[in-house]
Amino acid sequence: AQSVSQHNHHVILSEAASLELGCNYSYGGTVNLFWYVQYPGQHLQLLLKYFSGDPLVKGIKGFEAEFIKSKFSFNLRKPSVQWSDTAEYFCAVNARGRRALTFGSGTRLQVQP
Amino acid sequence: DAGVTQSPTHLIKTRGQQVTLRCSPISGHKSVSWYQQVLGQGPQFIFQYYEKEERGRGNFPDRFSARQFPNYSSELNVNALLLGDSALYLCASSLELTNEKLFFGSGTQLSVL
Repeated sequence: AQSVSQHNHHVILSEAASLELGCNYSYGGTVNLFWYVQYPGQHLQLLLKYFSGDPLVKGIKGFEAEFIKSKFSFNLRKPSVQWSDTAEYFCAVNARGRRALTFGSGTRLQVQP
Repeated sequence: DAGVTQSPTHLIKTRGQQVTLRCSPISGHKSVSWYQQVLGQGPQFIFQYYEKEERGRGNFPDRFSARQFPNYSSELNVNALLLGDSALYLCASSLELTNEKLFFGSGTQLSVL
């Protein structure tokens, strides 16, 4: 069975600090990888995704993530966070050919002005 | 355009009762998926329906059932409610069967007393 681990449960940063949120997955086959974000009071929305090709993918609002197959990781990064990035971030994995997205437990990011 | 809509937004039930949750996908989306999100955890896959047929099922007991109607809306039914069924139930729609991009609703918060 596939599983996803997000090591940071709660991260507090000051504006302009750099961000890296860890995500590791457990699955031996080919996977599709996602980061979803939930801003306060809003629904979950897709931030970025990796299906194939360049392992460095760029998403909305200046976020990027790098797929490192040998480490089973898909970490999310942003060079300079803003107060508006305060949200909960979920990493998710979808094994090719399967219907379910498996989500991590989420990381709550708090950006202080 | 309207997003994914779910009703009701909140629901309180007692143990042993039955509940029906409703979801209307984005216009043109043929696939609906249901997820359960327990407080402090990421969403967990329950079902996926596409063109009115069940295309995937997560690790949930038979007390959970769902269906999709000709207009692609969907209902999730849970029988014989347990305290542990208290959670946020999320509906997500997508254009096709693949999970390339899911659009989530705001969810139904179910409390079982």
